Amino acid sequence: EAQVTQNPRYLITVTGKKLTVTCSQNMNHEYMSWYRQDPGLGLRQIYYSMNVEVTDKGDVPEGYKVSRKEKRNFPLILESPSPNQTSLYFCASSFPGTGEQFFGPGTRLTVL
Amino acid sequence: AQSVAQPEDQVNVAEGNPLTVKCTYSVSGNPYLFWYVQYPNRGLQFLLKYITGDNLVKGSYGFEAEFNKSQTSFHLKKPSALVSDSALYFCAVRETGANNLFFGTGTRLTVIP
Repeated sequence: EAQVTQNPRYLITVTGKKLTVTCSQNMNHEYMSWYRQDPGLGLRQIYYSMNVEVTDKGDVPEGYKVSRKEKRNFPLILESPSPNQTSLYFCASSFPGTGEQFFGPGTRLTVL
Repeated sequence: AQSVAQPEDQVNVAEGNPLTVKCTYSVSGNPYLFWYVQYPNRGLQFLLKYITGDNLVKGSYGFEAEFNKSQTSFHLKKPSALVSDSALYFCAVRETGANNLFFGTGTRLTVIP
């Protein structure tokens, strides 16, 4: 089944404790992206990647890191999480040019 | 700079009635426009897109959207609403030649039995 998977689905952590949210897709998509969803703000892009070893900042990259060492994986790293990073996070992937992105199920992160 | 406006945070409609969820956009050049739906505790699901061609686009679950270039709008419509259509709907735009989507703030649709 074609899908985007994210782990964990739920995470409660404390300020400053490094964490990684994994994202994996099995559709051989070149393009991958991370978004955060906050009430009243919709989805805002954090980082995106056009292909392996090619990443770039989105609209709200501060406090986040990403890597793209393999085509299928695009982990999101919070090196020192803060409470304002409490949010719902989505990973998405697509072929370049089509624009139709496939979304993962989401990761609900709470930073205390 | 590209932007998307969904002027209504909440839309309520009676089951069986037609529904409209509004979206207007601003983008350089020709827009690529999308609608996504989010059900509770789920990720976003693609509904339909406009790239070029016929201004009326048909998508999943009986939804359709009408592209209006002069009004820079891309409203989502359905002739007869179902209770199961209750969800959060997002409009998104992409500039020609770009890969990144820019999303609106979402409209919560509630279909009342």
